[in-house]
Amino acid sequence: GEDVEQSLFLSVREGDSSVINCTYTDSSSTYLYWYKQEPGAGLQLLTYIFSNMDMKQDQRLTVLLNKKDKHLSLRIADTQTGDSAIYFCAETDRGQNFVFGPGTRLSVLP
Amino acid sequence: DTEVTQTPKHLVMGMTNKKSLKCEQHMGHRAMYWYKQKAKKPPELMFVYSYEKLSINESVPSRFSPECPNSSLLNLHLHALQPEDSALYLCASSQNSGGTDTQYFGPGTRLTVL
Repeated sequence: GEDVEQSLFLSVREGDSSVINCTYTDSSSTYLYWYKQEPGAGLQLLTYIFSNMDMKQDQRLTVLLNKKDKHLSLRIADTQTGDSAIYFCAETDRGQNFVFGPGTRLSVLP
Repeated sequence: DTEVTQTPKHLVMGMTNKKSLKCEQHMGHRAMYWYKQKAKKPPELMFVYSYEKLSINESVPSRFSPECPNSSLLNLHLHALQPEDSALYLCASSQNSGGTDTQYFGPGTRLTVL
């Protein structure tokens, strides 16, 4: 079945860039997503990228997709303490559900 | 408006209680979802409703009973739950259920079963 992998933890200093990586196995993925989840809250859609795109930029967020390697990354420029959260990578399979990665816990140090 | 609302925010119930979780969206979405999320884990799909009909039930125990009264509302009826059912229950909706539509999530209901 489909699988999505992420590193579990990332620590960065405030003001630095954060790069969160994700790999997936389903070559038929159409859309790939990044969600942010703060403690005790639901999932907030940050951005998504269509599989025929290489890059998408939205303010401080840059998504890079390497479809050949099935590798997705999320770069957060000028990381702030408010960016501390769990970031989930997700992709759609052939059916009706999303396949989520395990989540990367981003800690921003002052 | 891309808001999905869920009530209640928190729920504590005993194993013999009957309670319901509610979810609402007014984006005209025709697909709605229930997910269960344990601490430090990704969400796990429970049910999918498409055009108010149950289209996916991911082998969820019968003590969880979903209901879609209309295209804007989704309920999850709970009865005779176990302590291991304690989790964050997330509702989501999307335009359609074809698998490529963005899902918008509610804030969740944190359920504790005593």
